[in-house]
Amino acid sequence: DGGITQSPKYLFRKEGQNVTLSCEQNLNHDAMYWYRQDPGQGLRLIYYSQIVNDFQKGDIAEGYSVSREKKESFPLTVTSAQKNPTAFYLCASGSWYEQYFGPGTRLTVT
Amino acid sequence: ELKVEQNPLFLSMQEGKNYTIYCNYSTTSDRLYWYRQDPGKSLESLFVLLSNGAVKQEGRLMASLDTKARLSTLHITAAVHDLSATYFCAVEMSNAGNMLTFGGGTRLMVKP
Repeated sequence: DGGITQSPKYLFRKEGQNVTLSCEQNLNHDAMYWYRQDPGQGLRLIYYSQIVNDFQKGDIAEGYSVSREKKESFPLTVTSAQKNPTAFYLCASGSWYEQYFGPGTRLTVT
Repeated sequence: ELKVEQNPLFLSMQEGKNYTIYCNYSTTSDRLYWYRQDPGKSLESLFVLLSNGAVKQEGRLMASLDTKARLSTLHITAAVHDLSATYFCAVEMSNAGNMLTFGGGTRLMVKP
């Protein structure tokens, strides 16, 4: 069963804590992406990776970090430096003609 | 900087009516995507438009692309309640890592 998985679905953290969101894909895609969505808004790109061990900042990378040690995995860490981390986080992977999205992780920081 | 604008942002319509959602973008693009999002859910791919004049249809939805005008439309025919969702267009630029830049979304409510 091919696809993209994200875990957990819901995540609650206290302010000042780092938290890591998981994203795994078995679609054999080289490219993976992290987006953030705030209520009533579109998606904004945080980081993307086109190949293992390489990644680039998107439009809103400040306060986030990523790694790409394996083709299948692209975890996102939300650090304490991110001023407004509460949001819906979507991971995607892509072929040359489409991007497929995971189910998302809803992060709430209080 | 690529900008993508959708309008309207909110659309309330009666079942059986037709309507069009517009997506304008600011620079030359390789591809344009349409996605559907239900509340609290992820994005579901509807259409990928690859070239000028491309038209794709699925059920009551039809998408078209005019690259010269930098405009895509999503036309809804004889709307039904099940089409209620938020619709996003997204523009891809291949010289930028195939990143997608999203419009702000159109929230569609179809009333029975």
